[in-house]
Amino acid sequence: GDSVTQMEGPVTLSEEAFLTINCTYTATGYPSLFWYVQYPGEGLQLLLKATKADDKGSNKGFEATYRKETTSFHLEKGSVQVSDSAVYFCALSDSSGGTSYGKLTFGQGTILTVHP
Amino acid sequence: KAGVTQTPRYLIKTRGQQVTLSCSPISGHRSVSWYQQTPGQGLQFLFEYFSETQRNKGNFPGRFSGRQFSNSRSEMNVSTLELGDSALYLCASSSGTGWAGELFFGEGSRLTVL
Repeated sequence: GDSVTQMEGPVTLSEEAFLTINCTYTATGYPSLFWYVQYPGEGLQLLLKATKADDKGSNKGFEATYRKETTSFHLEKGSVQVSDSAVYFCALSDSSGGTSYGKLTFGQGTILTVHP
Repeated sequence: KAGVTQTPRYLIKTRGQQVTLSCSPISGHRSVSWYQQTPGQGLQFLFEYFSETQRNKGNFPGRFSGRQFSNSRSEMNVSTLELGDSALYLCASSSGTGWAGELFFGEGSRLTVL
C-alpha cells in the first residue's frame, strides 16, 4: 500500500537558519503530495501541495518540489522564524477516487523548534 | 467563515464504555473524514462520509463506526472502549466533489480511556 516516510525528528534550529525536512513516498498510482502543519493546540492546516511531477508548491516562504524520479517531496525554508515552531506532516493522496475519498496517508510528523 | 467544529474537546472514559464524538463541517462542505492520531501510530484514516453515505473506510475494527446527517454534521462512535483507543480524534471536511486531497481539520477531540 501507499506509505510516506519523513526524516526522524525533532529538529531544533536558530532563527533565520535554513530548514529542510525530508519526505519520501511509495505509491502505486500518481498521487498528489502535501505538507500539513500542526501548531500547538490546533488542528492540521494545509501548508502547500503539488499535484503532478515537477510541480513546486509554496506558501509562507516554504517550498517543496514533487520529484517523481526520487519519489520525494522535501520541505524547505530559507530563513525560519520562532513562529514556525510546529509539527510538520508530509502526506499523499490517491486522486483516482473510489477508495481514496477523504483518505490521506501521512508520515510520522517532524517536530520543529526554532529558538530566538 | 466558521471552521470545522468538534465536540467535546476533551473527555475521559473507562474501559468497556462507549463514546460519541461530534463534528460540524465548514458550511457548504458535504464530505467529512475522521482520523485517529496517536504518538505510536501517527495519523490514521478511519472513514469518510458524503451525503449521509460512507464512501471510504480505513482498517479499524467494527467497534469504530460513524454516521452523517442531512445537514452534513457527522458523529463517530467507539463502543467497548479499550486503553489503546486513547487518542486525539480529528475530523476534517472538504467539498466532497472530486477528491483533490485538501482537507480542513478541526482541533480534535482528545479521548482518554482509563
